[in-house]
Amino acid sequence: EAGVAQSPRYKIIEKRQSVAFWCNPISGHATLYWYQQILGQGPKLLIQFQNNGVVDDSQLPKDRFSAERLKGVDSTLKIQPAKLEDSAVYLCASSLGGSSGQVSYNEQFFGPGTRLTVL
Amino acid sequence: RKEVEQDPGPFNVPEGATVAFNCTYSNSASQSFFWYRQDCRKEPKLLMSVYSSGNEDGRFTAQLNRASQYISLLIRDSKLSDSATYLCVVKGRNTGFQKLVFGTGTRLLVSP
Repeated sequence: EAGVAQSPRYKIIEKRQSVAFWCNPISGHATLYWYQQILGQGPKLLIQFQNNGVVDDSQLPKDRFSAERLKGVDSTLKIQPAKLEDSAVYLCASSLGGSSGQVSYNEQFFGPGTRLTVL
Repeated sequence: RKEVEQDPGPFNVPEGATVAFNCTYSNSASQSFFWYRQDCRKEPKLLMSVYSSGNEDGRFTAQLNRASQYISLLIRDSKLSDSATYLCVVKGRNTGFQKLVFGTGTRLLVSP
């Protein structure tokens, strides 16, 4: 079974430039997550989609970050304009479910990440 | 106070040693608990869930103390391949949906 795909794997940009990351979740997974992992820290949830709807974007810096999952499958995360502190690995994850009321845990599978360096 | 706190380490141990990591969490309403493993420059992967009764998977034992709000991971007979960062993860709720909160991770280095 194919895992979570992400591209590009690496990206180097200058501050104030724009950048976009792409994620294709595991087939059939309804829930998609974008995380930011800064060096030496654990992943931090930026946004969570359930199908094509946003469940949680409370930690997404909305003045510069945006994300969409228009058809409920793949997703893009954009940063515009980038700042030095945005240098991090951006991880995409997916899980089967996660809808309201579900108590059972749905394991999140992570993609390889996109390593962003902002100069 | 961070929602999930871990000692970042690194823990340097020889092969064959037993090592234990602890993690504390601040939200008493947290529902589920996990340990993830992250190799250098790789993505996190689920190592094991943590149950109230404690659970074991081979050389790995996880325990949960809800009263004290801490989680532990014990690794027996350490192997070189156990060298990685171990992330403590707590699941809570955000407007009814499941949300994972990750600790900063504890780095383990197993040497020959």
